[in-house]
Amino acid sequence: DTEVTQTPKHLVMGMTNKKSLKCEQHMGHRAMYWYKQKAKKPPELMFVYSYEKLSINESVPSRFSPECPNSSLLNLHLHALQPEDSALYLCASSQDWDRKAFFGQGTRLTVV
Amino acid sequence: AQSVTQLGSHVSVSEGALVLLRCNYSSSVPPYLFWYVQYPNQGLQLLLKYTSAATLVKGINGFEAEFKKSETSFHLTKPSAHMSDAAEYFCAVSETGGGNKLTFGTGTQLKVEL
Repeated sequence: DTEVTQTPKHLVMGMTNKKSLKCEQHMGHRAMYWYKQKAKKPPELMFVYSYEKLSINESVPSRFSPECPNSSLLNLHLHALQPEDSALYLCASSQDWDRKAFFGQGTRLTVV
Repeated sequence: AQSVTQLGSHVSVSEGALVLLRCNYSSSVPPYLFWYVQYPNQGLQLLLKYTSAATLVKGINGFEAEFKKSETSFHLTKPSAHMSDAAEYFCAVSETGGGNKLTFGTGTQLKVEL
């Protein structure tokens, strides 16, 4: 199993809503990532978790709150987002010692 | 911080022709280098990875890349393009001492014409 599963695939939310994105992998990877990708742009790193601990936060606004409940799951909690936060949110995982990252299909988020 | 530069945001080739996508990295120490492909409305799929074991790296779908330290390049090639190769291609770098962070180039849109 070399899959990273992200749910939901599409999400539309209002600026006052609270929602969560979910990511799951069963490859035994101990590093998990959130990336944000705007249209026609490369992915940009948001957060890195290593062994369930947050190791990198790329100065992401606090309206994005990551959580790693266990080694297989990664969540991204969203609150009070802005329309400019609309993007494709990609989850990825890798072995801690091997930087070969496997990506999920992404969640297409639209903030209205 | 390390970075990669992809020359040519759009490349167009005929089906059956050679594909050459260019990537240059900025580092005095060879980093980890990757090529990813992204089809419309999908996530990224790893094509290949360089980790200093060999300068010519073979990947999936007939792609390969050659690491040239003297040119700080890691260009992606495929001898014969297929229509299904049309996609966005990203070169990426991971710093040797910077955690597991991947930094992507700006991408090259490959178009394959009949």
